Amino acid sequence: NAGVMQNPRHLVRRRGQEARLRCSPMKGHSHVYWYRQLPEEGLKFMVYLQKENIIDESGMPKERFSAEFPKEGPSILRIQQVVRGDSAAYFCASSEAVPLNEQFFGPGTRLTVL
Amino acid sequence: KQEVTQIPAALSVPEGENLVLNCSFTDSAIYNLQWFRQDPGKGLTSLLLIQSSQREQTSGRLNASLDKSSGRSTLYIAASQPGDSATYLCAVGRVGSARQLTFGSGTQLTVLP
Repeated sequence: NAGVMQNPRHLVRRRGQEARLRCSPMKGHSHVYWYRQLPEEGLKFMVYLQKENIIDESGMPKERFSAEFPKEGPSILRIQQVVRGDSAAYFCASSEAVPLNEQFFGPGTRLTVL
Repeated sequence: KQEVTQIPAALSVPEGENLVLNCSFTDSAIYNLQWFRQDPGKGLTSLLLIQSSQREQTSGRLNASLDKSSGRSTLYIAASQPGDSATYLCAVGRVGSARQLTFGSGTQLTVLP
C-alpha cells in the first residue's frame, strides 16, 4: 500500500524559471493538501483540493503560484517565475473524507532557486 | 487566528527515560489534533490523531492527551530509545477550516544512548 508520493524529491531552478511539483495521494484518498516549510520556519498550509476543485487556497500566495488536481493524474503545484524566496520544502498530504481527516504526508520536494 | 506553540524547542534525554512534549493552542474551537514526527530531510509521519471529543489516544509507547478547555495537548513517550530522536510536531485542525492544519514549530528530541 504505497503512501503519498511526491516527485521530484529535489528540484533546482534558476530565478525566473518555472517549477512543477507533483503529488500522488494514497490509494483511496480524494483530498490533497499542499504545505510549505521555509528554512527555519514551521509548516504553513497553502491549498486544499479535491478532484477537479480547489476548496481552500487561503494560504497560497496570490501571484505566481497555482495548484490543480485533475480528474486523472497527480496533483500539481506550479510556481511561475521562481525567486530565491521560494526555496523551501513543499509537502503534499492526502486524506479520506471527514470525519477522521487524518492527513498523511509525502516525503516532500526540496526546491532550491539559484 | 489559531496559533500553536510547542515547548520546549529542544530536549535531550538519556535512553530509557519517560518524557513529555507540550503543545498549546490559542483557539479551543478545534476539530482535531494530530502529532507527527519528522526526521531530518524527510517527510512527516503521523503518530496519533485525537478528535475534539476525545481526551487521549495511545499507540505503543506513545500516549497523547487533549484538554480543549485549557488549549493544551501533551505527547508522552515511555522508555525512550535513540530511534525516537526526531522533531515532533503538533498540528491543529480548527472548526470551520478543519482541513487546514496549523502547525507548531516543533520540539527537537535527542535520545542519548
